[in-house]
Amino acid sequence: KAGVTQTPRYLIKTRGQQVTLSCSPISGHRSVSWYQQTPGQGLQFLFEYFSETQRNKGNFPGRFSGRQFSNSRSEMNVSTLELGDSALYLCASSPGVAGRSEYFGPGTRLLVL
Amino acid sequence: AQRVTQPEKLLSVFKGAPVELKCNYSYSGSPELFWYVQYSRQRLQLLLRHISRESIKGFTADLNKGETSFHLKKPFAQEEDSAMYYCALIAGNTGKLIFGQGTTLQVKP
Repeated sequence: KAGVTQTPRYLIKTRGQQVTLSCSPISGHRSVSWYQQTPGQGLQFLFEYFSETQRNKGNFPGRFSGRQFSNSRSEMNVSTLELGDSALYLCASSPGVAGRSEYFGPGTRLLVL
Repeated sequence: AQRVTQPEKLLSVFKGAPVELKCNYSYSGSPELFWYVQYSRQRLQLLLRHISRESIKGFTADLNKGETSFHLKKPFAQEEDSAMYYCALIAGNTGKLIFGQGTTLQVKP
């Protein structure tokens, strides 16, 4: 099976812009979770989706949003980008109802200038 | 609040020496605990979970509820074990993983 894929792999934006990141889970996996990884804060949970429903949300401002489509692909959007949003954004998928983030994607590295 | 603490940022051992990567957690209920590993230039991957009571690549981890710990152990370190290791907790029946800050394991020849 193909692994979790994320697009784009690298992105450069300027403050105030918005960005959309995409994640395609492993075929058959219905749970998708998103994480932000930074040197200072480490790995922080953003959202979890299962069957197009957001099941859990982390402690991030409303500028961070996401969704999941019927084919389990997921997108996350960050509006009004800030310098502090520069990070590696990771997506993970798992087959079960309660996602266990078993398989991670390579990440999208976002740089906000 | 749920929290995972990995007290060592860096652990350096010689090949063949025993390894113990420490993980302590804070959670009032029954947690589900995991260890993840990230080798250089590779993606984060699940190493093991406490409910499976498995041994992966020679690593084991036992949940000690009294000490709220989930230390990762290997009796004889190999150079290929050099990587970043993250301990993580899921609270309740959610998919919200709470990660520790990670420990870099360096195995010297």
